[in-house]
Amino acid sequence: AQSVAQPEDQVNVAEGNPLTVKCTYSVSGNPYLFWYVQYPNRGLQFLLKYITGDNLVKGSYGFEAEFNKSQTSFHLKKPSALVSDSALYFCAVRDGGYGGSQGNLIFGKGTKLSVKP
Amino acid sequence: NAGVTQTPKFQVLKTGQSMTLQCAQDMNHEYMSWYRQDPGMGLRLIHYSVGAGITDQGEVPNGYNVSRSTTEDFPLRLLSAAPSQTSVYFCASSPGTSLLLGANVLTFGAGSRLTVL
Repeated sequence: AQSVAQPEDQVNVAEGNPLTVKCTYSVSGNPYLFWYVQYPNRGLQFLLKYITGDNLVKGSYGFEAEFNKSQTSFHLKKPSALVSDSALYFCAVRDGGYGGSQGNLIFGKGTKLSVKP
Repeated sequence: NAGVTQTPKFQVLKTGQSMTLQCAQDMNHEYMSWYRQDPGMGLRLIHYSVGAGITDQGEVPNGYNVSRSTTEDFPLRLLSAAPSQTSVYFCASSPGTSLLLGANVLTFGAGSRLTVL
């Protein structure tokens, strides 16, 4: 069965410093991986995805993610953090079933990112 | 373009009462889903649909019912509310289940916060 793990409940970063939010995955078959962000009292928003191709994927708001097959990881990164990046970040993997279930995502538990001025 | 609209935003129920959470999208998306979000547990899939007249169960379907009579609407019914159903509920949609057509890039509603006493 497909699963993702986010080993850190919270990540604290100073504004201007690089940030990394970690995600590891376990899948049968090809991994299709996603990052979403949730700002307070809002729904989730899509940031980026890895389907195939380059291991470095670029997404919205200056975020990027590095796919590493040997380490089964898909870490989210940003070179210079902003206070406005403070939010809850979710890693997700496409359901490995057939038919309609392939539209489903399996989410990690989330990592709270706090960026201090 | 409203995206995904959920109503109500807040609701308080007594144990045993029933209610319906409404979800509507105006993007002509074939795939729609309901998730619940609980602290420390990420998002868990309740039910999903890949088109009008087609629904299926997700990870945590017990106590919930859905129908999809039109492409636009996907209501979630709580049959007999229990305190364990206190949660934040999110409706999400995507174009379909094909990766080539944007599968798994979900557009989320703003959420419905439900408290069951």
